[in-house]
Amino acid sequence: DAGVTQSPTHLIKTRGQQVTLRCSPKSGHDTVSWYQQALGQGPQFIFQYYEEEERQRGNFPDRFSGHQFPNYSSELNVNALLLGDSALYLCASSLVGGRMRIYEQYFGPGTRLTVT
Amino acid sequence: AQRVTQPEKLLSVFKGAPVELKCNYSYSGSPELFWYVQYSRQRLQLLLRHISRESIKGFTADLNKGETSFHLKKPFAQEEDSAMYYCALKESGGSNYKLTFGKGTLLTVNP
Repeated sequence: DAGVTQSPTHLIKTRGQQVTLRCSPKSGHDTVSWYQQALGQGPQFIFQYYEEEERQRGNFPDRFSGHQFPNYSSELNVNALLLGDSALYLCASSLVGGRMRIYEQYFGPGTRLTVT
Repeated sequence: AQRVTQPEKLLSVFKGAPVELKCNYSYSGSPELFWYVQYSRQRLQLLLRHISRESIKGFTADLNKGETSFHLKKPFAQEEDSAMYYCALKESGGSNYKLTFGKGTLLTVNP
């Protein structure tokens, strides 16, 4: 099991462009969370997807949107990129049990986004 | 709003010395607290959580609700403990999923 995988590893975009980041959860996991980690900061929660729906959202504008597919993989889309969106974007997967308890979150290696 | 504070950006100790990484939080409810670690060129991984009350790699952390702290301790640091450590909080309630992280402490254990 490769664990959580993310693609691409890194990319460079220009202000105003749009970007899509992808995440495949750990085998057996059904929930995906996305985090933004700016340089020198801890990860900041963007949102979480479970059963193909956004379940909770952090303090991020609507320019940040996501999707979860039937195979539990997920995409993060960011529109109208700003310089401040430059960061490491982390995906984390977990398994929500029958009683909706969140188990350990497993993190991917991240996608490094640079906006110029 | 909940907040996690790790007052030390950098912490340097010698091998065999005790180490304590500080974490304070602000949250009005009953949180779940975690320590995550990131070794060089590796991904972020869970080290321990307060509800498990376990010792992992010699590290322990006790939740002190009175002082709203969850400090990470190890009596004898090893060089392989050198890493970035993040304290994280999860709000109580089954519908709350997000982790709130501190800014992290870079621990360096010198030989």
